[in-house]
Amino acid sequence: EAGVAQSPRYKIIEKRQSVAFWCNPISGHATLYWYQQILGQGPKLLIQFQNNGVVDDSQLPKDRFSAERLKGVDSTLKIQPAKLEDSAVYLCASSPRRNRGGGYTFGSGTRLTVV
Amino acid sequence: SQELEQSPQSLIVQEGKNLTINCTSSKTLYGLYWYKQKYGEGLIFLMMLQKGGEEKSHEKITAKLDEKKQQSSLHITASQPSHAGIYLCGADRGGSEKLVFGKGTKLTVNP
Repeated sequence: EAGVAQSPRYKIIEKRQSVAFWCNPISGHATLYWYQQILGQGPKLLIQFQNNGVVDDSQLPKDRFSAERLKGVDSTLKIQPAKLEDSAVYLCASSPRRNRGGGYTFGSGTRLTVV
Repeated sequence: SQELEQSPQSLIVQEGKNLTINCTSSKTLYGLYWYKQKYGEGLIFLMMLQKGGEEKSHEKITAKLDEKKQQSSLHITASQPSHAGIYLCGADRGGSEKLVFGKGTKLTVNP
């Protein structure tokens, strides 16, 4: 089966600009996650979707970050305006509904550099 | 404080040597996942452990979950340069259906 697709792979922007990342999960996976991984740290969950509804966005900086999941499939994560501290790898993952050891599949990530 | 503590933070070994990476949780683990990551890239799934005392192996990598389900270890036998990368443990707290991660262990294998 195809994996989790993410684009772009790399992005360099200036601070205060906006940027968007795209994710296409594994077909049939109900749950989609966006993680932020700053260099030298483990991934941190930003938002979790179940189908097209938000389950957890408690760690999403809502003043600048937004995310949506259209029709319960693809998802877009946006940052506006970007800050230097947003430089990180943004990882998308998906899992089946009622995940019982089925695993969480991650995409290749988008590496964002804010200058 | 970090929910999952990994040790060591970094490790440099000579090719052919064995090594162990540990992951300790402050809470009971319902599912413990090990991933490998190349710098700046996505996570590659290695193994998942659920039951206390469980042990799984894949090629030269073995992972164990202790009986009390609060610690896991990842052991690599006869390391190779291809084993180099960042190893991350992730925990499923049960019911939340999401993973929290440790900070990772950076492994360097010198030829």
